[in-house]
Amino acid sequence: DSGVTQTPKHLITATGQRVTLRCSPRSGDLSVYWYQQSLDQGLQFLIHYYNGEERAKGNILERFSAQQFPDLHSELNLSSLELGDSALYFCASKTATGNTGELFFGEGSRLTVL
Amino acid sequence: AQSVTQLGSHVSVSEGALVLLRCNYSSSVPPYLFWYVQYPNQGLQLLLKYTSAATLVKGINGFEAEFKKSETSFHLTKPSAHMSDAAEYFCAVSDIGGSQGNLIFGKGTKLSVKP
Repeated sequence: DSGVTQTPKHLITATGQRVTLRCSPRSGDLSVYWYQQSLDQGLQFLIHYYNGEERAKGNILERFSAQQFPDLHSELNLSSLELGDSALYFCASKTATGNTGELFFGEGSRLTVL
Repeated sequence: AQSVTQLGSHVSVSEGALVLLRCNYSSSVPPYLFWYVQYPNQGLQLLLKYTSAATLVKGINGFEAEFKKSETSFHLTKPSAHMSDAAEYFCAVSDIGGSQGNLIFGKGTKLSVKP
């Protein structure tokens, strides 16, 4: 158990819909990272938050957004869903923003868009 | 910019045989490198990391990796494969200058272990 909690574990929805994925980082971790894992693209970095502030964006679509709340949990919002958005979405946390520390990953939220 | 390349999307070994999973990196600065393992329907778990201390890094479950600057490699090895090692393995490099701690992952290598 990494200490990172993601909900829901599975989600099935239709094209055009909107979903919210939730992540609770390890206790004390200020950084939250979101990744998308798909068969064709592999693990792609989406966005990073540190203590409530957005720090960096990766390959995140404009239809996607995220935020980190004062209690440090984070939500990833996916809207106008397309079939290609079907993937496993991971949240990871880290204590600080240095480059040497590892990320601790949740078990992911599997999104299926029909 | 940093990147990693994992050679071989699938590797199959017999139980008890040597495991060798290859990873080459590209970085304009000294890299920080990681190996993660993903078991089916689970998240990624850290196996080991290199952060410029010893070049031979020992990790969990009997795995180790050697940082070779001259070869820009960070291959993962285990002397004797066990059935429980069957999983997908990801090499990653810290995105220095990018997101402050973000990792850039390779495409992954799926390891199969035959009895």
